This record gives sequence, C-alpha cells and structure tokens, in this order.
Amino acid sequence: QQPVQSPQAVILREGEDAVINCSSSKALYSVHWYRQKHGEAPVFLMILLKGGEQKGHEKISASFNEKKQQSSLYLTASQLSYSGTYFCGTATSGGGADGLTFGKGTHLIIQP
Amino acid sequence: NAGVTQTPKFQVLKTGQSMTLQCAQDMNHEYMSWYRQDPGMGLRLIHYSVGAGITDQGEVPNGYNVSRSTTEDFPLRLLSAAPSQTSVYFCASSPYGTGGVYGYTFGSGTRLTVV
Repeated sequence: QQPVQSPQAVILREGEDAVINCSSSKALYSVHWYRQKHGEAPVFLMILLKGGEQKGHEKISASFNEKKQQSSLYLTASQLSYSGTYFCGTATSGGGADGLTFGKGTHLIIQP
Repeated sequence: NAGVTQTPKFQVLKTGQSMTLQCAQDMNHEYMSWYRQDPGMGLRLIHYSVGAGITDQGEVPNGYNVSRSTTEDFPLRLLSAAPSQTSVYFCASSPYGTGGVYGYTFGSGTRLTVV
C-alpha cells in the first residue's frame, strides 16, 4: 500500500518555507526522499532510519516519527531550484533491498 | 563513472510485441530495481534484485520478466506488450553496506508507448 503524501501540490514565493508529509500504514524501517524535475530521473535527497536522528541537507531537512510512521520534509527559504515533484519512498526491511514503495508525489512550484 | 544507464530512451511497440529494456550500472551496486511511472501514480515497483542470481516480484510484476546474471546488468523483458504498459520505466541501484543504508541512483528512464 502506497504511503500518503500531503499536500498534493503547493505554490510558494521564493524565500518561503514548505513542509511535505508522508504517512504510512505499515511499520517502516526507513523513509527515503527524492526530487524529480520534469522529464528527468528522481534524485535522492536523504534517508531517515528508524531510531535515527533528523537529517539535514543545506536548507532541506527531514524527520521521522516512528510512533506515527510519518515523515516530514522541510524546505526553508525556498529557492527557484527547489521546484519539482517530491516523492517519499518507504522500506519495511533493512536498507530498502526489496525496493521502495513510493507515494504519489507532491508538486512544488516556486515563483520568483 | 556513468552511473545507471538505460537503453533505449524511447520506444514504440505494437500490441503483442516483446522487447527488453536494458539497465546497466558501473558502481558495483548489489541492489537493483525496476519501476514504472504513470501520471498521478508515483513510482511503482515491478521487480527487484538483491544480487546476481536473485530476483523477486514487486507490486506490479504481471507481464514482465527479469534476470540478473551479473552484478552490473538487470534487463526487464516485456513478454507481450499491451497498451496498459505504456509508461516511463526507471531502473535504480543502491549499494549494500553493513551499518549503512543508502539511497537509490536512478537511470534516465525509458519512455515506452504501446499502440
């Protein structure tokens, strides 16, 4: 069963903040976050492991609430380059060896 | 270091034809997987492999076969193409590492149209 992402789409002005949520009905081992620009391949952003800490990557960070099986991606002071579709991918076994189950994506549009 | 290479980039098939989508990676990654991406559906797992000689089904395996004879290559075969298989197909790979979990590197995709 696919994780549920929210919101489906968001439009921001450059410099504003955004939060993208990912919720699963299954017990998760890890949550991956990817960004995909139109016509391109998804690009790995970061991974959250159960029992792990919040991760950060420049102005993009994420958290994982094991009790709720929810992850959130935080984009602060958004830049035009952040535009794209964001996907969470969940793994129920270690390392995602048996592949990931992806949400349907969140479309992020950053306007100047 | 080319990463994950998929060929062809575009393909048009007639209903009932068969073909193989190629995927090769030069990063010595153990884990490989195939996804299809349809509008509004996200990426759905077709088949995956945890190493040479080991493959298994994902969420949407019907109509597809895979094999993994080497660490580098993971081809996806469409047995008898159907219009419902019109999609963008992505191959992805990830390293295995004790004590570490890594993200997947995706190929650039194959856009397949079945008429």
